[in-house]
Amino acid sequence: EPEVTQTPSHQVTQMGQEVILRCVPISNHLYFYWYRQILGQKVEFLVSFYNNEISEKSEIFDDQFSVERPDGSNFTLKIRSTKLEDSAMYFCASSDPPSRSREAFFGQGTRLTVV
Amino acid sequence: GQQVMQIPQYQHVQEGEDFTTYCNSSTTLSNIQWYKQRPGGHPVFLIQLVKSGEVKKQKRLTFQFGEAKKNSSLHITATQTTDVGTYFCAPASNFGNEKLTFGTGTRLTIIP
Repeated sequence: EPEVTQTPSHQVTQMGQEVILRCVPISNHLYFYWYRQILGQKVEFLVSFYNNEISEKSEIFDDQFSVERPDGSNFTLKIRSTKLEDSAMYFCASSDPPSRSREAFFGQGTRLTVV
Repeated sequence: GQQVMQIPQYQHVQEGEDFTTYCNSSTTLSNIQWYKQRPGGHPVFLIQLVKSGEVKKQKRLTFQFGEAKKNSSLHITATQTTDVGTYFCAPASNFGNEKLTFGTGTRLTIIP
């Protein structure tokens, strides 16, 4: 069964450092997303990406964040200068066009710890 | 912005008992999805509801969308240990980008 894959599974970084979280969405999907989940809390939307551009971003997704689809398979989230409060589980997701299904497929997540 | 609340926040049940989580939105929804997240895992899609008053069943799980399309519920009959996890409702945006607004979630634990 196709799945969304994320690397790394864990990342520890020092405050102020840049991190790049990587995702390989399901190959025929057109919509890509990043969500985050602070430990014990709900899943929060960060950004959606369609047709090689951001379609929507949340208030959390400030200038420190950026996304990129550098090639036909990878989808990355960059945090330019990490803060302690960026510590969370980051989930990548992808979905079909709404005409087919709205189901989002989530990756296993990257646990980011900022120290 | 859209607020999606779920109650209860936590539910502990004896194995074999029933479980229900309720989802309430501050706005009328075009659709609602339900996801399950096992401890330490990622959200996994369960179902999508679209029509007013819609009821869908998956084995022991029954999902309902309110008549006014502002609330939804998930009912599990005769819980099993495999049902452990957090259940989230999540309306999908109707503006083409399909972003999900997750509810606050209900964490279900089962007492064997």
